[in-house]
Amino acid sequence: DAGVTQSPTHLIKTRGQQVTLRCSPKSGHDTVSWYQQALGQGPQFIFQYYEEEERQRGNFPDRFSGHQFPNYSSELNVNALLLGDSALYLCASSFASGGEGAQYFGPGTRLTVL
Amino acid sequence: AQSVSQHNHHVILSEAASLELGCNYSYGGTVNLFWYVQYPGQHLQLLLKYFSGDPLVKGIKGFEAEFIKSKFSFNLRKPSVQWSDTAEYFCAVNAGGGADGLTFGKGTHLIIQP
Repeated sequence: DAGVTQSPTHLIKTRGQQVTLRCSPKSGHDTVSWYQQALGQGPQFIFQYYEEEERQRGNFPDRFSGHQFPNYSSELNVNALLLGDSALYLCASSFASGGEGAQYFGPGTRLTVL
Repeated sequence: AQSVSQHNHHVILSEAASLELGCNYSYGGTVNLFWYVQYPGQHLQLLLKYFSGDPLVKGIKGFEAEFIKSKFSFNLRKPSVQWSDTAEYFCAVNAGGGADGLTFGKGTHLIIQP
């Protein structure tokens, strides 16, 4: 049973560029959430996708956008990158209809903005 | 909005010592509570979760946590730690359905000395 997978593992971009990160959920899960984890901090919730729609959003600007595909995989897009966007980006999957479902995390994508 | 406070940012213990990591949350309604662990070089893993029922929750690797509603607390405990418990520990909370976006504390870095 494959867990949550993310690609790429590492990414280096320059200010002003755009980046796309990818996530495949755990088998059987239909909901994908994205988090940003700065060094020495806990993860911060960016948004969540369910049924190909953004279901919930944290306190992040519109430069952060996403997409969910029919196979439940998801992308996180960040436009106009800032130095402060350097962080570990985590994807988590869960089963929305499961009631007491918990979120399971992938290994993350380390984004460095120069 | 919810918030989570973890009181100890760095904890150093000797093997076989007892562990208690504090977690308090701020939210007026019904919450779901989680502890996640991040071992060096590994991704976030779910240690245990509380949704309802018995406030004493048992998780993996001998960890347990107690939900005290009157104190808005969900402290993590282990009677006897091992060197392999060295990791970063995060308390998290969400409201409503279990799949909602998580609010994390800043984490506690636990070092176990052999």
